[in-house]
Amino acid sequence: DQQVKQNSPSLSVQEGRISILNCDYTNSMFDYFLWYKKYPAEGPTFLISISSIKDKNEDGRFTVFLNKSAKHLSLHIVPSQPGDSAVYFCAASAQTGAQKLVFGQGTRLTINP
Amino acid sequence: DTAVSQTPKYLVTQMGNDKSIKCEQNLGHDTMYWYKQDSKKFLKIMFSYNNKELIINETVPNRFSPKSPDKAHLNLHINSLELGDSAVYFCASSYRQGRGYTFGSGTRLTVV
Repeated sequence: DQQVKQNSPSLSVQEGRISILNCDYTNSMFDYFLWYKKYPAEGPTFLISISSIKDKNEDGRFTVFLNKSAKHLSLHIVPSQPGDSAVYFCAASAQTGAQKLVFGQGTRLTINP
Repeated sequence: DTAVSQTPKYLVTQMGNDKSIKCEQNLGHDTMYWYKQDSKKFLKIMFSYNNKELIINETVPNRFSPKSPDKAHLNLHINSLELGDSAVYFCASSYRQGRGYTFGSGTRLTVV
């Protein structure tokens, strides 16, 4: 039972354009959402998070949008840079129950020069 | 200074062997985790410890046994290794359960 899904295994974007990565979840108890970035042979690194009391959080070139009614979140990167090429994982957790991060399967983003 | 360090980075071993992976964090976090990334790239939690106490134990074979001698260390011991255990194992820690994790760089285990 995959509670967090990233339906696009890969995405290719031209440098300077906007990258939009999507994530859907099924568990309505999730109240905290994160995006992680992963380079080959390294562990995932935290990028940006959002609490369920918000619908948008911005940090420099990165913005996360949360649509609770649709159980959907997205990560916008603008402008996209070559160094953004990596695998991006969406993750979610709930304050109640087993407090653990549940991850999506990742989207490989490639930024083309 | 590496925040979460795990050793070894690569581990190749034969079926039936017993092996351990070590993890240490210097962030002062109370909670530590082991995640497994399988061939399909899913990151799935295996165990979680809070201040040396086991709090999450997902459906993992008994051959996997975590050990936390103190809150800065969480080791993973695997008995009777099987081919299906081949994966990348990530250690992580967090200041609060279910919140921003810091991951180690992973241990790629290959069972032959």
